[in-house]
Amino acid sequence: DVKVTQSSRYLVKRTGEKVFLECVQDMDHENMFWYRQDPGLGLRLIYFSYDVKMKEKGDIPEGYSVSREKKERFSLILESASTNQTSMYLCASAVFGLYEQYFGPGTRLTVT
Amino acid sequence: GDSVTQMEGPVTLSEEAFLTINCTYTATGYPSLFWYVQYPGEGLQLLLKATKADDKGSNKGFEATYRKETTSFHLEKGSVQVSDSAVYFCALGGGATNKLIFGTGTLLAVQP
Repeated sequence: DVKVTQSSRYLVKRTGEKVFLECVQDMDHENMFWYRQDPGLGLRLIYFSYDVKMKEKGDIPEGYSVSREKKERFSLILESASTNQTSMYLCASAVFGLYEQYFGPGTRLTVT
Repeated sequence: GDSVTQMEGPVTLSEEAFLTINCTYTATGYPSLFWYVQYPGEGLQLLLKATKADDKGSNKGFEATYRKETTSFHLEKGSVQVSDSAVYFCALGGGATNKLIFGTGTLLAVQP
């Protein structure tokens, strides 16, 4: 079974802090994705990556950056956390060329 | 651009009732269609998929048929259980980027 893990299930940070969310997958997938999930808005794509050191902006990249130094790991960075970034963050991975994505359990981030 | 529209929730049913969650899409070309399920406190899991017109995806008693003429992919189950209580997302995969486009999700609550 594909396993996607995220570094924390719950995280509380203060406004202005730099926040790192880590995602690791164990199936050698080329594609990795970061989404945020908010009530009534569904899933919105923040960034995605096709390969190591490759990244592309999704629909809502403002206030976020990403890093992919190794194939299995995709990090989401909030350079200066703000309260409007309080949300559920979901990571996913997929085989290159296929649409089927496998999701991690999510990180619920609260910025106070 | 491509989009997915699914029925607003919450949907509240009694155990053993029949379930339909409507999903329609707008897309160019021939997208793949998916239903994902999110149980409380967890990430998304793939429930079923269909990759071409008239395909029927099925899993765990749930079914959905890819209807190109009505651009729909409605989710159905003949007899729901309390354990089916979750949020259900319809998603579309198309184009060269391997991204998924998600609907806003439908919360299903099944009462005993």
